[in-house]
Amino acid sequence: EADIYQTPRYLVIGTGKKITLECSQTMGHDKMYWYQQDPGMELHLIHYSYGVNSTEKGDLSSESTVSRIRTEHFPLTLESARPSHTSQYLCASLSSGNTIYFGEGSWLTVV
Amino acid sequence: EDKVVQSPLSLVVHEGDTVTLNCSYEVTNFRSLLWYKQEKKAPTFLFMLTSSGIEKKSGRLSSILDKKELSSILNITATQTGDSAIYLCAVNNGGGSEKLVFGKGTKLTVNP
Repeated sequence: EADIYQTPRYLVIGTGKKITLECSQTMGHDKMYWYQQDPGMELHLIHYSYGVNSTEKGDLSSESTVSRIRTEHFPLTLESARPSHTSQYLCASLSSGNTIYFGEGSWLTVV
Repeated sequence: EDKVVQSPLSLVVHEGDTVTLNCSYEVTNFRSLLWYKQEKKAPTFLFMLTSSGIEKKSGRLSSILDKKELSSILNITATQTGDSAIYLCAVNNGGGSEKLVFGKGTKLTVNP
């Protein structure tokens, strides 16, 4: 099982602020993902990465951006947060057994 | 468009009951089907199924894949209140990116 760490776990910020959600994993997994989940709704893929310097947009359009400068680190950034960005953001990585494991999630509230 | 459909969307049972949750899928490039349990936080992995007809089992939970019918079931026997959660089905559509397509989930409530 992967050890995936997300910070912050909970965050309330004002409209227009810049926010970076951190995600790191210690297993050396190449493939990593960001999913977004609104309360009571299904998960949607917003970004994924094959490895260092590789990032792709997912199936759900998102105003966030990601970077992958190091294998273990896959941060997600919102340059100017809006209330519509209020959601849970889940980071995940693909294990050698082709199973995707999730971090604890970051709950973002934009007021 | 890749699609995963779960049924029922919601289920309320009493402790000790046996439940069966359903998942059907339509994807262009099936690699595997995964079941997750989600309580108040992130989904936790339960099973991954790749071969048709082979049952995966863990305690009171079991799951089986039917590739011909493009479906899977998750069984929970002798349910307990701690089984109350949302159970998510996801299909890995391969293609190199190994992306997961999720269903809406089945919300299971087990009453004492």
